[in-house]
Amino acid sequence: QSALTQPASVSGSPGQSITISCTGTSSDVGGYNYVSWYQQHPGKAPKLMIYDVSNRPSGVSNRFSGSKSGNTASLTISGLQAEDEADYYCSSYTSSSTFWVFGGGTKLTVL
Amino acid sequence: QVQLVESGGGLVKPGGSLRLSCAASGFTFSDYYMSWIRQAPGKGLEWVSYISSSGSTIYYADSVKGRFTISRDNAKNSLYLQMNSLRAEDTAVYYCARSVGDVWGQGTTVTVSS
Repeated sequence: QSALTQPASVSGSPGQSITISCTGTSSDVGGYNYVSWYQQHPGKAPKLMIYDVSNRPSGVSNRFSGSKSGNTASLTISGLQAEDEADYYCSSYTSSSTFWVFGGGTKLTVL
Repeated sequence: QVQLVESGGGLVKPGGSLRLSCAASGFTFSDYYMSWIRQAPGKGLEWVSYISSSGSTIYYADSVKGRFTISRDNAKNSLYLQMNSLRAEDTAVYYCARSVGDVWGQGTTVTVSS
């Protein structure tokens, strides 16, 4: 069982917006602004999409945005495109001995 | 360009050992903390271990504590993961990643099977 909870799957049509949630505790998501989101296409390495809750690395589309409220972080993708279909993982720093935890991943299907 | 390249994966019997390497290039390796992250077949990402830029601070996931050892050689721009007492559940693609995961390697596959 993953430390952070994500929905197993979400879907949306091209052009629509979707949001993926990531729920943790006050020891990780809720306690620190160190939440990251990764996109992973099949057979590929993950790619950083959001770091420190809401910051986008250079080169990442502004269709991707992140936010946090309490113990839940969210990734929103607007203007869905076919190439957004992938697995998405959240992660967070944690004050427990494990240092860094991941969510179980969410499969995004673009209908 | 900024790059991480893992090597050292392979097939090993339960109880055996492997040493993974991660060669960094295109950036000042000694400025960054590094991590190993793994992904079992068909499963999600699992953080394995962290090492600070100087190597003075190290953390491990509970699942590997006491069996795996992370290290780095800043003079060689290299990160390592010594894996001992391997189990079937350690079978995974192992990635090295820079900092918060802004750069990842392509991964190296470790299979533990008799």
